[in-house]
Amino acid sequence: DAKTTQPNSMESNEEEPVHLPCNHSTISGTDYIHWYRQLPSQGPEYVIHGLTSNVNNRMASLAIAEDRKSSTLILHRATLRDAAVYYCILRSLKTSYDKVIFGPGTSLSVIP
Amino acid sequence: AAGVIQSPRHLIKEKRETATLKCYPIPRHDTVYWYQQGPGQDPQFLISFYEKMQSDKGSIPDRFSAQQFSDYHSELNMSSLELGDSALYFCASSLAGRLKYYGYTFGSGTRLTVV
Repeated sequence: DAKTTQPNSMESNEEEPVHLPCNHSTISGTDYIHWYRQLPSQGPEYVIHGLTSNVNNRMASLAIAEDRKSSTLILHRATLRDAAVYYCILRSLKTSYDKVIFGPGTSLSVIP
Repeated sequence: AAGVIQSPRHLIKEKRETATLKCYPIPRHDTVYWYQQGPGQDPQFLISFYEKMQSDKGSIPDRFSAQQFSDYHSELNMSSLELGDSALYFCASSLAGRLKYYGYTFGSGTRLTVV
């Protein structure tokens, strides 16, 4: 399976934008880029996913590099509630019920 | 909106006992996934079911078994419990779309403590 690389931790000031990077240099053409996050003492939460084009939803934006070897999750205004571990995950469109594998993510701290 | 329901929320068992964790997926979701998360670790995939059939298996010990029932709820059965089985167990459900991905919805988890 193609792997992703994320920074272990990042800090952000409250109400500032946050850019969480993810490298996936071995991504294949059928791999979707998914982001999940896990708040303390809670189950993981789906954030966003995309294939080639940038994506926006109510939670965040996903910017995908033109060569697809990297992507960035953008939180437009960080709040204290956004402090969580963020996981960047690749999923191949072999079957849409393929499992999600969580690897080392980025622990985001938000400073008031 | 309905979420994924897991029960019980907390469970304390002694070594060598058995435990059963239950998961009720979101209505109309056809896929269920089980994860184990030890202290300070990332969630580890255990097993999944699609349309009541096992679809994938991860690092699930032979002492554990799971199934998905006709109403789509799932149960994770754990026997001969060991101290190392103490963890958070999450269930997630999803809709397996054709040529389209839907995100998983996770439950709040069951915290199992083996003493």
